[in-house]
Amino acid sequence: GAVVSQHPSWVICKSGTSVKIECRSLDFQATTMFWYRQFPKQSLMLMATSNEGSKATYEQGVEKDKFLINHASLTLSTLTVTSAHPEDSSFYICSARALSGSITDTQYFGPGTRLTVL
Amino acid sequence: AQSVAQPEDQVNVAEGNPLTVKCTYSVSGNPYLFWYVQYPNRGLQFLLKYITGDNLVKGSYGFEAEFNKSQTSFHLKKPSALVSDSALYFCAVRDPNTDKLIFGTGTRLQVFP
Repeated sequence: GAVVSQHPSWVICKSGTSVKIECRSLDFQATTMFWYRQFPKQSLMLMATSNEGSKATYEQGVEKDKFLINHASLTLSTLTVTSAHPEDSSFYICSARALSGSITDTQYFGPGTRLTVL
Repeated sequence: AQSVAQPEDQVNVAEGNPLTVKCTYSVSGNPYLFWYVQYPNRGLQFLLKYITGDNLVKGSYGFEAEFNKSQTSFHLKKPSALVSDSALYFCAVRDPNTDKLIFGTGTRLQVFP
C-alpha cells in the first residue's frame, strides 16, 4: 500500500516549451501533496505544498507563475513547468500524505521525473 | 529553528557487518522522525518512522532505528548489511509548526562484498 506514481519518468524538451508532470496516489487519498526538486548529490528542496481544491503554497524563491501546480482531486496533482529553460533541468519528486488511516503521519514519495531542457 | 543533521557524507561497511547511519535533530515539541532511502534516479522509499511509543522502531528490509530523546538522535541500524543496501539515506523530521518535512543532507551507504 501507499504507492505514489509519477509520469513521465523522464522528459526532454526544447527551451521555451512547457512540460506537465503528473503525480498520483494509487491506493490512498491524499489531502496534501508536495513537490520537491533535487539537484545532483543534494538533498530535496521543497518547492510547494498543495491541498486538494485550493491554491498551492509556494516556498520562498519559487516562481509560482513558472511552476504551476494543480491539485484537482484527492489522488492527482500536476506540476507544469512553463517556458522551460536549461536551468530548470532537474529531478522533480512529488510526495503525498494520506487523508486517513494509519499512514496519515507519513509522506510517500513518487519515483521522480528527470527533466532535461535543451 | 527545526533542523536535522547527518554528520557523515558516506558510510562504508563490509557485507555481513552491522551498519549505523547517524542522525540528530533539533525540534520544538515532540518529534516525528523518519528515515527514507533513495536508489539512483529514483524517488524516496519510506523505511520507518518514530511518532511515539517504543524507542526502538523496526522498519522495512531489516532496518531499525533507535530514538534517543536525551541525545536527540535517531540513528538507523541494521545487524547485517547487504550489498543491495548501498544507497543514499535521508533522515527527516516533521516541523510541528508547518507540518513540512525537514531533511538531512543525506548519507551515502556503501556496502562492500
